[in-house]
Amino acid sequence: SQQGEEDPQALSIQEGENATMNCSYKTSINNLQWYRQNSGRGLVHLILIRSNEREKHSGRLRVTLDTSKKSSSLLITASRAADTASYFCATDAPGRRALTFGSGTRLQVQP
Amino acid sequence: GAGVSQSPSNKVTEKGKDVELRCDPISGHTALYWYRQSLGQGLEFLIYFQGNSAPDKSGLPSDRFSAERTGGSVSTLTIQRTQQEDSAVYLCASSLLVQGEAFFGQGTRLTVV
Repeated sequence: SQQGEEDPQALSIQEGENATMNCSYKTSINNLQWYRQNSGRGLVHLILIRSNEREKHSGRLRVTLDTSKKSSSLLITASRAADTASYFCATDAPGRRALTFGSGTRLQVQP
Repeated sequence: GAGVSQSPSNKVTEKGKDVELRCDPISGHTALYWYRQSLGQGLEFLIYFQGNSAPDKSGLPSDRFSAERTGGSVSTLTIQRTQQEDSAVYLCASSLLVQGEAFFGQGTRLTVV
């Protein structure tokens, strides 16, 4: 079963708007990561947030983590058409060293 | 090379045939992952290698699937007696640190006809 689940499954916005994607997970974690995937091929790492961190920024990306609610959010500000992609959260879990990915959010940014 | 390399990029095989998929991780990365992704779906964990530790095979869907990693570097994922439901993109990733940032290859698109 999936450790992380993203919502919404799909999101369509206009260029310049902000996009928010959420991830919920089931067990305690050491860290949570967000990845981007274009065209169903390789994933690209965006940002990693540790369990003792609450918020992290990288350029137009802002990630929050609430370990009490077992959830994270990814905010992309001032979106661009080039941000169109699928976004996945990935978590580790006690007893499993491998990263487990959610089902992803498909973001469409309309120019 | 600078990144994770997977070969072949695309593979079409007949049902019942065996296939081998190859992954060259980034040099020095001790962790290597295999995932499977069906069209429009998330990543399904298959197997994980970390250094000289026993691999985590808990994600392999059946005994037709196996993987090895030779010399702590190149990995091969083998699917025996392929079935149509095996059709998917197979993604390999490597990382320097356990549970750290993973670097992905471009995947192998397997089509079983």
